Amino acid sequence: ETGVTQSPTHLIKTRGQQVTLRCSSQSGHNTVSWYQQALGQGPQFIFQYYREEENGRGNFPPRFSGLQFPNYSSELNVNALELDDSALYLCASSLKAASIEAFFGQGTRLTVV
Amino acid sequence: DQQVKQNSPSLSVQEGRISILNCDYTNSMFDYFLWYKKYPAEGPTFLISISSIKDKNEDGRFTVFLNKSAKHLSLHIVPSQPGDSAVYFCAASAGGGSNYKLTFGKGTLLTVNP
Repeated sequence: ETGVTQSPTHLIKTRGQQVTLRCSSQSGHNTVSWYQQALGQGPQFIFQYYREEENGRGNFPPRFSGLQFPNYSSELNVNALELDDSALYLCASSLKAASIEAFFGQGTRLTVV
Repeated sequence: DQQVKQNSPSLSVQEGRISILNCDYTNSMFDYFLWYKKYPAEGPTFLISISSIKDKNEDGRFTVFLNKSAKHLSLHIVPSQPGDSAVYFCAASAGGGSNYKLTFGKGTLLTVNP
């Protein structure tokens, strides 16, 4: 059983550009959540996907969007990057939307310059 | 508005002693609380959770206590081991027992000295 894997691990982008981050959920998990962790802060909920549908969203603008695929892997897309988007982006998968335990990947460190 | 607060950025304890990490919350709608541990360059790892209808949950060396009236929870690690050195995040959910929209504190860096 493989864990949650994210790619890439590090990324540098220029302000105004677009970025796509990827997440492979743990085998058998149908629910994926994305979090943003700014330096010195705790992770902040961006949105959750359950069976390819967005299941809820945190306080992030529409330029943050996502997808979940039939194999339950997921993408986070961010358009019009801003300097404040620099953060660690974490993906978490769970067996089902009703599970209390979520398994996190190692994260993607995004730097916007 | 920070709904989950971990007021101690860091804690240092001796190996074998008890580590107590504290967390306060403001949202009465939270019905589950979780603790995660995070090592550098790794994602957070789930440690233990507690439902709001309980006041204690124990798993090996880890015990979480919940005081609903004070909106306070704590994680006790006994005995502390050097491998426990990590950042510990308190998180809360109002999702009826799901991990939907977890709200995290800023974390406490625990250092266990040999």
